[in-house]
Amino acid sequence: GQQLNQSPQSMFIQEGEDVSMNCTSSSIFNTWLWYKQEPGEGPVLLIALYKAGELTSNGRLTAQFGITRKDSFLNISASIPSDVGIYFCPTASSGDKLTFGTGTRLAVRP
Amino acid sequence: GAVVSQHPSWVICKSGTSVKIECRSLDFQATTMFWYRQFPKQSLMLMATSNEGSKATYEQGVEKDKFLINHASLTLSTLTVTSAHPEDSSFYICSARAGLAGGCTDTQYFGPGTRLTVL
Repeated sequence: GQQLNQSPQSMFIQEGEDVSMNCTSSSIFNTWLWYKQEPGEGPVLLIALYKAGELTSNGRLTAQFGITRKDSFLNISASIPSDVGIYFCPTASSGDKLTFGTGTRLAVRP
Repeated sequence: GAVVSQHPSWVICKSGTSVKIECRSLDFQATTMFWYRQFPKQSLMLMATSNEGSKATYEQGVEKDKFLINHASLTLSTLTVTSAHPEDSSFYICSARAGLAGGCTDTQYFGPGTRLTVL
């Protein structure tokens, strides 16, 4: 079956630092999405990637879809306390079903 | 745009009662809605896919008679947890997929979730 690995599992950083996290899969995908979930809330879409090699930014966030279509990374520049949350990188399979990994938990120290 | 709401946001009920959770797409029509369950400190697990006007498709291991899904319109899907028990306590999240007119079909917009606690 499909395996989706997120790394690191958790991060505890100082405000102002840059953050990098990634997702890898054993399968090839045509779509890769990045969501952020804050405590007690549903996930919110950050960036959607549709082409291999695609590099997309959303404010301080930058995400890239790997050339092999088996991986993706998300960078957050100059982190702030409100960046706290769990970052998920689900992929879309048949029927648009999303498969979620375990997420990367980010904590930011002011 | 692309706002999805859920009601209620939290509910506490006694064991054996049924609980209905509503999921609405507020500013777009959603031909497909998805229901997820998330246990504490775990990831989202897809329970079922709900298509407007047809029966829901359940994931393996999810009891369709336990979790009743109705998708009566393009903006509303409901999940009813029947005869709820403490092990059903969880965070239930719905998502809605916008049609072609609303953007890329792979994008799902999530509701804020419903916290269910069964005593």
